[in-house]
Amino acid sequence: AQKVTQAQTEISVVEKEDVTLDCVYETRDTTYYLFWYKQPPSGELVFLIRRNSFDEQNEISGRYSWNFQKSTSSFNFTITASQVVDSAVYFCALSEPDNTDKLIFGTGTRLQVFP
Amino acid sequence: ETGVTQTPRHLVMGMTNKKSLKCEQHLGHNAMYWYKQSAKKPLELMFVYNFKEQTENNSVPSRFSPECPNSSHLFLHLHTLQPEDSALYLCASSQDGGLDSTDTQYFGPGTRLTVL
Repeated sequence: AQKVTQAQTEISVVEKEDVTLDCVYETRDTTYYLFWYKQPPSGELVFLIRRNSFDEQNEISGRYSWNFQKSTSSFNFTITASQVVDSAVYFCALSEPDNTDKLIFGTGTRLQVFP
Repeated sequence: ETGVTQTPRHLVMGMTNKKSLKCEQHLGHNAMYWYKQSAKKPLELMFVYNFKEQTENNSVPSRFSPECPNSSHLFLHLHTLQPEDSALYLCASSQDGGLDSTDTQYFGPGTRLTVL
């Protein structure tokens, strides 16, 4: 069965610190997609990244970077030099093409960045 | 992209009321979704519509009734809800929600529902 685990319920850091949010997934499929979303206090889920299972290259987008490791079934997200505006709940999600439209979400990690 | 809007943003209703949630997407997508987000639980997919046809009903109680009159609009009609139905209801859309397609889903801001 598919499952996404975000073991860190809440993380607190001080501005300018680097922080890594962990995501571990379970799937029997060889083809799947992984996502990260950000949910600020306003409520909407903001899409951050999508990665398919055949692309293990790490990705960097500004202060954000993602480390995809198929060997450990992990898709971790690092924020470099965190800012107060990064405070939000971050969700990791898994989707399998053979399972049509379902996005399986983790329970989220609440990140609080203090000034 | 934040082209998905939801109204109302907040709703308080009694258990005997009937209300509707509205979602509109301005992205030209063909698939729309309803999710429920309760405290300390993963997001739960409720319904999926693809080209106005319902393709997924995730064992949702009949007191929740979706309607998709066209690819841009999605409604969730509520009646005789229970206090445990209080949650954030999120709408999402994607280009195409068909088989073998895993298009990125874009979410609206949600409706915070409280059932008294």
